[in-house]
Amino acid sequence: SQTIHQWPATLVQPVGSPLSLECTVEGTSNPNLYWYRQAAGRGLQLLFYSVGIGQISSEVPQNLSASRPQDRQFILSSKKLLLSDSGFYLCAWSGTVAYEQYFGPGTRLTVT
Amino acid sequence: SQQGEEDPQALSIQEGENATMNCSYKTSINNLQWYRQNSGRGLVHLILIRSNEREKHSGRLRVTLDTSKKSSSLLITASRAADTASYFCATDVWGGSQGNLIFGKGTKLSVKP
Repeated sequence: SQTIHQWPATLVQPVGSPLSLECTVEGTSNPNLYWYRQAAGRGLQLLFYSVGIGQISSEVPQNLSASRPQDRQFILSSKKLLLSDSGFYLCAWSGTVAYEQYFGPGTRLTVT
Repeated sequence: SQQGEEDPQALSIQEGENATMNCSYKTSINNLQWYRQNSGRGLVHLILIRSNEREKHSGRLRVTLDTSKKSSSLLITASRAADTASYFCATDVWGGSQGNLIFGKGTKLSVKP
């Protein structure tokens, strides 16, 4: 069966520090991968999606970047965090034919 | 502007009652999905209804889709305290990037024992 991992679960970082969040998927090949951010009490905002290694599409201009160095690994990064980067970050995967998305447990990021 | 808008924003009911949540959207879709999120956790896929379907059932869940009104509803029958969560609709927009979903802001459901 497929599983998706995210780490860390929580993170407190000062403004201006770098960020690296990692997401890995097991049990499937060539998944579509997604990074979302969820502000408190809000819906999900799609940040990045990837249909293959090295293929990243950005949905909104921002302080963040994403990379997919391996088929089942998706990384969200920032060189310098802003206060507005605080939120709940969710990684998800889907098949290339089916449309359901499967989410990881999320990372709670607080920028102080 | 938001593609999917859930209504109501919050809903509080007693255990055993039915819960109905609605979702409206603006543009043509390939399918509409409902997800559940427990507090502080990731989302869990509940059900997908395609644009050519009008109703779908899964256990205690019933989803309807009215493409003429661009709306969907999620009915949870005989609710349980464990159903307490936020529920989101998500649309797969026709002509959009394949598989990309647009999520609404969610309905927060509280089921009291």
